[in-house]
Amino acid sequence: EAGVAQSPRYKIIEKRQSVAFWCNPISGHATLYWYQQILGQGPKLLIQFQNNGVVDDSQLPKDRFSAERLKGVDSTLKIQPAKLEDSAVYLCASSLGQGARWDTEAFFGQGTRLTVV
Amino acid sequence: SQKIEQNSEALNIQEGKTATLTCNYTNYSPAYLQWYRQDPGRGPVFLLLIRENEKEKRKERLKVTFDTTLKQSLFHITASQPADSATYLCSSWGKFQFGAGTQVVVTP
Repeated sequence: EAGVAQSPRYKIIEKRQSVAFWCNPISGHATLYWYQQILGQGPKLLIQFQNNGVVDDSQLPKDRFSAERLKGVDSTLKIQPAKLEDSAVYLCASSLGQGARWDTEAFFGQGTRLTVV
Repeated sequence: SQKIEQNSEALNIQEGKTATLTCNYTNYSPAYLQWYRQDPGRGPVFLLLIRENEKEKRKERLKVTFDTTLKQSLFHITASQPADSATYLCSSWGKFQFGAGTQVVVTP
């Protein structure tokens, strides 16, 4: 089966510019996650969607980050304006988990490496 | 606050030996824990899930234990191989948290 697709793979922007990342989850997966992974650290959850509704966005810096999940399938994460500390890998993941069944594995994309200069 | 902590020091181990990694959690009681492997430049890949009512889970050369009294999970790689070299992440999926990961380096 096709995995989680992310694009672009790499992006370099100047601070204060905007950037968008795209994710296409595995077909049929209700839950989609965006993670930020800074070098040397574990992934940090930014936002979780179930279908097209937001389940958790408590760690999303909402003054500059936004995300949407179109028709419960693809998702876009945007940063505007970017700061130097946003340099990280942005990972998208999806899982079957619905309702009370969160004990399913997550499938990750390869990530987008963002460098803010 | 709720935390998951893993050994930040890299684990260097000789081929054929058993690698043991630790995951500790504080201020909450996860219903289950997951372990992932991450190679450089790649996203994490799921390895094993263990529930709170399971003491041990195995998959090929991998073994995971879950001790709710100690608030700890141990991850073992037996008969380690150089191909096992990677960073291993512990995750409490119910709270969507990951530890920082432990890098394992297996030398021939």
